[in-house]
Parts: sequence; structure tokens; C-alpha cells
Amino acid sequence: NAGVTQTPKFQVLKTGQSMTLQCAQDMNHEYMSWYRQDPGMGLRLIHYSVGAGITDQGEVPNGYNVSRSTTEDFPLRLLSAAPSQTSVYFCASSPGSLRRTDTQYFGPGTRLTVL
Amino acid sequence: GQQLNQSPQSMFIQEGEDVSMNCTSSSIFNTWLWYKQDPGEGPVLLIALYKAGELTSNGRLTAQFGITRKDSFLNISASIPSDVGIYFCAGQLPRGSNFGNEKLTFGTGTRLTIIP
Repeated sequence: NAGVTQTPKFQVLKTGQSMTLQCAQDMNHEYMSWYRQDPGMGLRLIHYSVGAGITDQGEVPNGYNVSRSTTEDFPLRLLSAAPSQTSVYFCASSPGSLRRTDTQYFGPGTRLTVL
Repeated sequence: GQQLNQSPQSMFIQEGEDVSMNCTSSSIFNTWLWYKQDPGEGPVLLIALYKAGELTSNGRLTAQFGITRKDSFLNISASIPSDVGIYFCAGQLPRGSNFGNEKLTFGTGTRLTIIP
């Protein structure tokens, strides 16, 4: 049981490039989410999903796309990278909706730099 | 979006000292959570609070859900070197609020450093 895994761990992009951050969980969790963490800002929700085929926007969704074709995977796509997207990205999952938030598990993070 | 003010931003203490930090919100929350993040890792849940006035302990950690539902406190007693890290509070709004009950709002973090 690997929990929540994220790849890559580090990535450097040039402005305008696109890429996909991968997130997978092997706990059969319904709820998955993506956060970004910036200095002095805490974690901010980008997108989330309450189950396969269902996604919704969080607090800072602009410039990012998500899809949830399977329960296990929740990739985050940067369509045209900008320096403002330099951040550490965390994926999280929980068994159900956040009515019981004590079961949310975070991945180890992806550190992204956009030049 | 919602704002959670967490203080202090950083703390420098000696091993064995007690630590206190808090979070305040402009909105009422129905759940308060406290996380710890070690360098290079994702946050790990320490304590979850679900009722106003609730006081919950996890080893040397004690957290309280404020009576007004707009604040929460975390105390660490007799700090040890492995307590070093960043502590985050997070809140969940009541069902039916505009922000949705599926989302968490995080504080800006308190960085704890232990001076040898």
C-alpha cells in the first residue's frame, strides 16, 4: 500500500510549455484534490474530485485542468506554464467527502519551477 | 476567498519549552484541523476538532475548537527536536456555504525551530 504518490518530484519548465503532474492513490479513495503551496500563503485548493468522472474548481483553478477517468488517478495539467505557477504542488485523497476530514492523506509533493 | 490568520509566523524555542499557536477566521467553521509538515514532505494530520469548545489531545499535543467557532489553538508541551517543522491549521465551512463543504481553507503556517 503506497498511499498517495506524485511524480515527478522536481520539474523545471520554460514559460509556455505544458506538462502533467501525476497523482495516484491505491487506497480506493473517492475524494482527491490538488493544492499549491507558496511561501506565506499556506495551501490553496486548485481542483478537486468527489469521484471518477466528477471534478470541480477550487480557489485558484486558472491555468490548470484536471480529469478523473479512474478512481486511482487524478492528473493535473498545466496548459501553458507561467512563472506565477512556480510552486510546490500537493495531491491529497480521502475515502469520502470532507465531512470526515480526519482521513485526508497528502502526497510528498512536486516542486515546479517555471523560468 | 476565505482567510485564516495563523500566528505566530515563526517560533524559536529551546527544547523542553511549551509552544502555543492559534488560528483565527473571519468566518465560522464547523471543523478545525491541525497539520504538521516536515521538510520535503506533505502535511500530516495531527488533530481534528468537530464541536465548538472541544478540547482534544494527541500525546503532547492539545488543540481546542474556540467557542465562537472562529478560532482554534494548538499547544505542544515539553517540545522535543522532532517537533521541528511547519504547523498548519485548516478549517471547513458549514454545509451550504458559498465556498462549499467539500473544501478546506488553510492557514499560512507557523514554523517551529528548536534552538540547541
